[in-house]
Amino acid sequence: GIQVEQSPPDLILQEGANSTLRCNFSDSVNNLQWFHQNPWGQLINLFYIPSGTKQNGRLSATTVATERYSLLYISSSQTTDSGVYFCAVSHFNKFYFGSGTKLNVKP
Amino acid sequence: DTEVTQTPKHLVMGMTNKKSLKCEQHMGHRAMYWYKQKAKKPPELMFVYSYEKLSINESVPSRFSPECPNSSLLNLHLHALQPEDSALYLCASSQEGGPAETQYFGPGTRLLVL
Repeated sequence: GIQVEQSPPDLILQEGANSTLRCNFSDSVNNLQWFHQNPWGQLINLFYIPSGTKQNGRLSATTVATERYSLLYISSSQTTDSGVYFCAVSHFNKFYFGSGTKLNVKP
Repeated sequence: DTEVTQTPKHLVMGMTNKKSLKCEQHMGHRAMYWYKQKAKKPPELMFVYSYEKLSINESVPSRFSPECPNSSLLNLHLHALQPEDSALYLCASSQEGGPAETQYFGPGTRLLVL
């Protein structure tokens, strides 16, 4: 299968700070999604981004498919941003999740 | 409507019980998925249905039995589970099951096996 690695594994921020989360993958992919898993377990779609750059409010994402990585930027973080961020890729019709970045935003 | 619903939200069962998890979507999607997520781990794929046919079974033990009665509904029948099967079970759907599609997830069912 494909390897999907996320960094950092844990991140603590003060409210208002900016952060960058990284996702590296070991082979070419058809699809890449970023999710936020809230404390209740719900996986919320943030971006569908197999390549290029997208922005949605305080969040933006960039995927450089040729170099096999994606970045998720969070600006002006809020306590509600806390949770686990997963990237997931589609490879040969299967969906593989990275190990996640656990974000804790303190007031 | 981009909602996938799952029932029940929580389930406690003994090792000799039979129970079922239910997942429903009304987005007109033709592919549905079951994932299992253990605490502090990422979700792992269990089963994929495409056009109501089982297309992927990730070597899941037979005590888990999926069923797709129609394109909107996905069940997971549970029988003789073990305590290590306790986890969050997530359902997802996508357009047709193709490799470049967005997957939409339900809120999950938290299962505890005693």
